Amino acid sequence: AQKVTQAQTEISVVEKEDVTLDCVYETRDTTYYLFWYKQPPSGELVFLIRRNSFDEQNEISGRYSWNFQKSTSSFNFTITASQVVDSAVYFCALSEAGRRALTFGSGTRLQVQP
Amino acid sequence: EPEVTQTPSHQVTQMGQEVILRCVPISNHLYFYWYRQILGQKVEFLVSFYNNEISEKSEIFDDQFSVERPDGSNFTLKIRSTKLEDSAMYFCASRTSGNSYNEQFFGPGTRLTVL
Repeated sequence: AQKVTQAQTEISVVEKEDVTLDCVYETRDTTYYLFWYKQPPSGELVFLIRRNSFDEQNEISGRYSWNFQKSTSSFNFTITASQVVDSAVYFCALSEAGRRALTFGSGTRLQVQP
Repeated sequence: EPEVTQTPSHQVTQMGQEVILRCVPISNHLYFYWYRQILGQKVEFLVSFYNNEISEKSEIFDDQFSVERPDGSNFTLKIRSTKLEDSAMYFCASRTSGNSYNEQFFGPGTRLTVL
């Protein structure tokens, strides 16, 4: 069975600090897909990034970067120079190849103080 | 940019009443989903739907729940006899193909309050 663990329930940082959100996953499949979604205070779920299990290349998009390590089953998300607008709940999610539903972690609430 | 829409944004109902939550997925998408999020908790999968039938459902999706695509655009979730514990945000999502690599696009959600 698949599982996603986000051990950090809430993180509070001051603007311009870097912050890393941790995600650890469990799956028996060799082919799977990992995602990050952002849920701002308005409540919608916004897609940020996806990764497949065969692509361990890290990715950077502006202030966001993702570190995927199969050896530790982790898919961590770093925000560089955080801003108040980054305040949200961030969810890591997993989808196995044969099962199209997303399994979400419990989310990490990020508060960026001005 | 195309988006998933959901109506209503907020539904208040009495325990035991039936509710229908409506979603309009993105027009060329073929796979449709319902998820729910109890306040402050994680997002949980309910059901997936493809080719006019349920392709997968979770243990949450019991006989009280049903889904339907009554026409070419709407995708509905019906709860026959609501319970207090059905109070949650319900998200509809759609995806273009069966490849699990493609991201699911989520609607803004319907907040269901059962009194």
